[in-house]
Formats: sequence, C-alpha cells, structure tokens
Amino acid sequence: GAVVSQHPSWVICKSGTSVKIECRSLDFQATTMFWYRQFPKQSLMLMATSNEGSKATYEQGVEKDKFLINHASLTLSTLTVTSAHPEDSSFYICSASKHSTNEKLFFGSGTQLSVL
Amino acid sequence: TQLLEQSPQFLSIQEGENLTVYCNSSSVFSSLQWYRQEPGEGPVLLVTVVTGGEVKKLKRLTFQFGDARKDSSLHITAAQPGDTGLYLCAAPNWGAGNMLTFGGGTRLMVKP
Repeated sequence: GAVVSQHPSWVICKSGTSVKIECRSLDFQATTMFWYRQFPKQSLMLMATSNEGSKATYEQGVEKDKFLINHASLTLSTLTVTSAHPEDSSFYICSASKHSTNEKLFFGSGTQLSVL
Repeated sequence: TQLLEQSPQFLSIQEGENLTVYCNSSSVFSSLQWYRQEPGEGPVLLVTVVTGGEVKKLKRLTFQFGDARKDSSLHITAAQPGDTGLYLCAAPNWGAGNMLTFGGGTRLMVKP
C-alpha cells in the first residue's frame, strides 16, 4: 500500500525558534496533502490543505503566517511552525492521497512537537 | 461545517467484554470511515462504509452504516487488551474532495 513518511517523529525546540516538518509520499504523487493538529487525548483538527504548486488553504482560526505550508513538488509538503511558543506544542499529522477526490487517505506517523 | 459526534468519549472495560461506539451527525454522508490510532502514531484506516444499512466485519469488529447515512457504529466483541486505542470516525466534506472531518474520538482501554 501507499506510504506517507513524516519527519521528524519528534522535536524539542526553544520558544521563538522555527521548526520544519516534512511530509513525503514515497510511492505515489500527491496533488493534495492535509495537515492536522492533535492535542493530547483529543481528536484530529484539520489545519490546512496543501495544494501542489499553489497556496495552501487554511481552516478558520489557523494563522497562515505562523504555520507556513509549502508544497513545491508532488511528493513533498512541509509545515513550518514559525516563532514557536509552548502553546504550539502538539502532535502534527499529515495525510495524502493519490487523487483529489474519493480516494483513500494515507496518514503519516505524526510529529510530536514540544516547545520549551 | 459537518459535525460528527462520537460517544462515549472514554471507555474502560475488562478483557472479554463487548462494546459499541457510536458516531452521529445531522448531516448525510457519502461515506464514513473508522480509524484506530495508537499513541505517537498516525491513524490507521479500519474500514470505509458507503451504502446505507451496510454492515462490514473485520474479525471481532463489526461496523454499521445507518440507513440514512447519518450515523455509524462500531461494535467490538470479546475485547482484548490489543484493542486499546483511540477510535475515530471520519467523513469527507461535501464538495471538498477527500478532505476529512473527524469525530471527537473514543478512547478505549481494555484491561487484562
């Protein structure tokens, strides 16, 4: 089956620094990738839709200048948390599908971000 | 925005017991998915139900899609400690391709 690789698995950083998370589709091309955030013991909340070659679409309440998304190729989307603060500490998960509609989503293994 | 309400939020049972998790909405869905997630990992798809009234079985797990395609249930028979995890239902947003909306999740703990 299709594989989505997410790196790093976990990262600890100081407050005020920026952190980049990568999401790669290893054996298929993904025109669309999704970024989710999950707080402890809670469900996944969609942050944004990453579209290859165009700007990401952000969900209401998600700051686009703080969570920079780049989808420069059909196999890679990156999420950069800029000027991270402790409240940004969370589990970030990406997902991707081969086509834009009615297709199974494949999820990355997630990135646990801890901001000190 | 389509809302998916899952119940119960938490469930702690003994090994061998049966349980049912519910996923309800006032919206009609073209399909509905169930995922299981373990700590520190991404969710793993268990099943997709598409047809109203559909029942799918995966070993000890039975999934049902409501006749009106507004609700779904997951029933686990003779639960085992290995079933422990976060169970999530999810549905695609109308007109938004394969963007998924997730329910609040049911955290299951099966004690040996």
